[in-house]
Amino acid sequence: NAGVTQTPKFQVLKTGQSMTLQCAQDMNHNSMYWYRQDPGMGLRLIYYSASEGTTDKGEVPNGYNVSRLNKREFSLRLESAAPSQTSVYFCASTKRGGDSSYEQYFGPGTRLTVT
Amino acid sequence: AQKITQTQPGMFVQEKEAVTLDCTYDTSDPSYGLFWYKQPSSGEMIFLIYQGSYDQQNATEGRYSLNFQKARKSANLVISASQLGDSAMYFCAMREGGQGAQKLVFGQGTRLTINP
Repeated sequence: NAGVTQTPKFQVLKTGQSMTLQCAQDMNHNSMYWYRQDPGMGLRLIYYSASEGTTDKGEVPNGYNVSRLNKREFSLRLESAAPSQTSVYFCASTKRGGDSSYEQYFGPGTRLTVT
Repeated sequence: AQKITQTQPGMFVQEKEAVTLDCTYDTSDPSYGLFWYKQPSSGEMIFLIYQGSYDQQNATEGRYSLNFQKARKSANLVISASQLGDSAMYFCAMREGGQGAQKLVFGQGTRLTINP
């Protein structure tokens, strides 16, 4: 039982390049999330998927797109990377969207640097 | 306006002492939840404790307890008998609403250092 996995762990991009961050969970969770954490800051929600087949914007969606490929996988795409997107990206999942007492399980994070 | 405010950027505590990390929140939604997460230097996010807005009693999990004062909109984390391994960043987070996805809003965190 791996929990939430993310690939890659580290990535360096040049401005204007694109890439996709992959996230998968093996806990049969319905809801999945992408956050970013800038240095010295808390996490901010980029996009989320309450259930398979749905996605919605969070607090800071500009410059990103997401795909909920199936119940297990939720990817985050940067179409044209900018230095302002240098951050640590966390994927998370919860059991059910409607029961808000459940903790969010976080992946280990992807450290992205855009030069 | 900040929805979650953690006013202590850093705290230094002697081992075995109790420590309180402050968190105040702002919401007009009657249904909400408050979470505390620990982030050690290795970077992972570790869930510590949860308090729902309708919960009558303060939440406790082992050495962690949440001092929930609804009228003051505060949800402070209390760690009893601190240990060296408690040194980490601590984040308070809030979920608004009772249905749908659990969208969390995080505070800026408090860096706790436990001295031997």
